[in-house]
Amino acid sequence: AQSVAQPEDQVNVAEGNPLTVKCTYSVSGNPYLFWYVQYPNRGLQFLLKYITGDNLVKGSYGFEAEFNKSQTSFHLKKPSALVSDSALYFCAVRDMIRGPRQLTFGSGTQLTVLP
Amino acid sequence: GAVVSQHPSRVICKSGTSVKIECRSLDFQATTMFWYRQFPKQSLMLMATSNEGSKATYEQGVEKDKFLINHASLTLSTLTVTSAHPEDSSFYICSVQKPGQGAYEQYFGPGTRLTVT
Repeated sequence: AQSVAQPEDQVNVAEGNPLTVKCTYSVSGNPYLFWYVQYPNRGLQFLLKYITGDNLVKGSYGFEAEFNKSQTSFHLKKPSALVSDSALYFCAVRDMIRGPRQLTFGSGTQLTVLP
Repeated sequence: GAVVSQHPSRVICKSGTSVKIECRSLDFQATTMFWYRQFPKQSLMLMATSNEGSKATYEQGVEKDKFLINHASLTLSTLTVTSAHPEDSSFYICSVQKPGQGAYEQYFGPGTRLTVT
């Protein structure tokens, strides 16, 4: 089975400050990990993914995420938040070997960047 | 990324009628497409996996006779909500899986907002 948890429903951060959106996962084998962003009434936009290789993954719009196998985490980070980053963020996982073909999504974290 | 379109973007229908939502993969041929529904402020819930040329695979609890999926070509999948009721009102999102390379990535459509009155 595969699952993913986003422990925070809401994250508020001031513009210019660093932001972190947390994600932990559970898979039987090795994970594929993804972050997506969703703006109101829109579909999901891909931000970044971890498949293999470097634990620090850089993605779109200045976002990055660090894969930590020992802590089974894949937190999303950005050094300096923008008001335009305010959106709903989803972490997703897929078990590389034993999982189904589709992604399993976390419950989402609403990020609000305050001006 | 790849471009996925959905039509319509927004639809309002009366209870008891049927509504068809189209999902098109514009950049590549997709043998696999997924249909999700999303309630306000909630995550995406997978409804079914649409396979070109064969029957869709439905998730547990999803009525296949109510949510008809047709994946008639490699670039088009349709979801028909039959005899819609107000509880079917939701945001429906499709995604396509890029073939090859272990099928790592899914690309999402912009979603369709269905309101049943």
